[in-house]
Amino acid sequence: DTAVSQTPKYLVTQMGNDKSIKCEQNLGHDTMYWYKQDSKKFLKIMFSYNNKELIINETVPNRFSPKSPDKAHLNLHINSLELGDSAVYFCASSSQGAFWNTGELFFGEGSRLTVL
Amino acid sequence: KNEVEQSPQNLTAQEGEFITINCSYSVGISALHWLQQHPGGGIVSLFMLSSGKKKHGRLIATINIQEKHSSLHITASHPRDSAVYICAVINQGAQKLVFGQGTRLTINP
Repeated sequence: DTAVSQTPKYLVTQMGNDKSIKCEQNLGHDTMYWYKQDSKKFLKIMFSYNNKELIINETVPNRFSPKSPDKAHLNLHINSLELGDSAVYFCASSSQGAFWNTGELFFGEGSRLTVL
Repeated sequence: KNEVEQSPQNLTAQEGEFITINCSYSVGISALHWLQQHPGGGIVSLFMLSSGKKKHGRLIATINIQEKHSSLHITASHPRDSAVYICAVINQGAQKLVFGQGTRLTINP
């Protein structure tokens, strides 16, 4: 039973389209994250939610909008896709207390977005 | 310059060799992570360190807070250790991870 699951795993779309990536965790964690891994394999945090509230919002274009309907889900919606949005997007979750003390951070498998 | 720098960027070794991957950082941190990204893309958290040394199986991680440096060692390396190893630091007060660029390790049989 997958702890952090993302869908879709692969997404190929045209420039200008709007797309969503979904993330669900069944670990009972309080905190969820979206990370972007670019073509050079650099990971960078985009957003973090704690109990459905936004706590980290990095310098990300407004075209990216996270939505957390409940603490087990954090979806990423992207409007007006651009070529530079092509990347692998990773969802992750942690128990807030555990992460800062024990480092327990669980990643999804990643969603590879290709914008043509 | 990135706040977290890893070396080497690529490392190829023969099975059985002792492997060392280095991580240097330039910011104050509350802790440092080592992550492993499998060839299929999945990421697994290996260690979190705030001081000293941790060992898990054939993996050993050390950190020197004064020198702002950490190392990940793999003893008796095996082809299944082939992966990208990523160092990440928790920026003090910021409560977020800042990642290094990763080290691609290939262990040949």
